[in-house]
Amino acid sequence: KNQVEQSPQSLIILEGKNCTLQCNYTVSPFSNLRWYKQDTGRGPVSLTIMTFSENTKSNGRYTATLDADTKQSSLHITASQLSDSASYICVVRGGSQGNLIFGKGTKLSVKP
Amino acid sequence: NAGVTQTPKFRVLKTGQSMTLLCAQDMNHEYMYWYRQDPGMGLRLIHYSVGEGTTAKGEVPDGYNVSRLKKQNFLLGLESAAPSQTSVYFCAVMGMGSPLHFGNGTRLTVT
Repeated sequence: KNQVEQSPQSLIILEGKNCTLQCNYTVSPFSNLRWYKQDTGRGPVSLTIMTFSENTKSNGRYTATLDADTKQSSLHITASQLSDSASYICVVRGGSQGNLIFGKGTKLSVKP
Repeated sequence: NAGVTQTPKFRVLKTGQSMTLLCAQDMNHEYMYWYRQDPGMGLRLIHYSVGEGTTAKGEVPDGYNVSRLKKQNFLLGLESAAPSQTSVYFCAVMGMGSPLHFGNGTRLTVT
């Protein structure tokens, strides 16, 4: 079964600290993987996309990695800010019909 | 450029009532989706459309109907609302090679 698992479910860190969110998937065949940020009361917004051939991609203080062999991705946030408090959702496109498969998200809280 | 607009933003229904949620886009994208988001469940696909005049069922279609009469609009209908349909509903649109662009949601409570 095509699945996307995210960990941890929730995370609390202090402002200025770094953190890493994990996404493991069993989707096959794999097309691409996206990370979305969802602020409270808003719709998700795309942060980055990873294709099969890409290992690392950065978007400001956000760096995503992809290991297609182990089917794992991570999102690293550097020097966290209060505005980073949000849910982060991993979405994998793949399967026989190219469907979008959503993880349940990691809720990040950045405290002053 | 509003992107994806959902109306209404909030609604409270009594069991058995009907309503229609509207999603409007100005991005000229072909693909449109309706999702529901519940605590601990993540986003689940209700129905989707790959173009004007076409619709298809997603993961959780029961109790919902949709229509895509115009390319820019995708309507989600609840014919007889049930408490289990209390949720936050998100519309999303996507073009070729682009990410999903989401609206800001409709918060529906069915009492």
